[in-house]
Amino acid sequence: AQKITQTQPGMFVQEKEAVTLDCTYDTSDPSYGLFWYKQPSSGEMIFLIYQGSYDQQNATEGRYSLNFQKARKSANLVISASQLGDSAMYFCAMRPKTSYDKVIFGPGTSLSVIP
Amino acid sequence: GAVVSQHPSWVICKSGTSVKIECRSLDFQATTMFWYRQFPKQSLMLMATSNEGSKATYEQGVEKDKFLINHASLTLSTLTVTSAHPEDSSFYICSARVTSGGPYNEQFFGPGTRLTVL
Repeated sequence: AQKITQTQPGMFVQEKEAVTLDCTYDTSDPSYGLFWYKQPSSGEMIFLIYQGSYDQQNATEGRYSLNFQKARKSANLVISASQLGDSAMYFCAMRPKTSYDKVIFGPGTSLSVIP
Repeated sequence: GAVVSQHPSWVICKSGTSVKIECRSLDFQATTMFWYRQFPKQSLMLMATSNEGSKATYEQGVEKDKFLINHASLTLSTLTVTSAHPEDSSFYICSARVTSGGPYNEQFFGPGTRLTVL
């Protein structure tokens, strides 16, 4: 069965510091995509970053980077230089190849940035 | 970028009434749209996958007669919550997949609809 685990229900980080949000996944499919989404209090889902299972390099998008360790089945999100606007829920998600259309979401991590 | 809209953004209704939520892809065609439900402080749970011109595929445990989905065109899918009850109160989010999208970032989310059933 495919599953996403995010073990940190809530995280705090000082403004301008870096923070790592953990994500582990379980799939037997050799080909899959990993995503991170941000959901502010307004409810919209904002796409942050993508990592393909066969990508050789870790994905980066501005202040976001994905620490992808395939053997450990982890895809942690690193946010550098945290800003107050980064306070939100963060969801790790996976789309296995075998269920190409379906995106499976983790339980989420609530991030609070402290001034 | 691809934009998905939902209407209404919030709705309050009486128990027993039906509510229709629209999901539109504004600047692209979407052969597949997805409907999610999210309870407070929980994750998104996929309810159904909607393909243009065919019947929706519902996830296990989702009542197809209660949550009617119609995907009549490549830019519009609707979710109708029939005979709504207070336990149906939730945040409903749709997403649309780009028809000829690449391997990633091809699913775009709407802003969500907050349903409150009194």
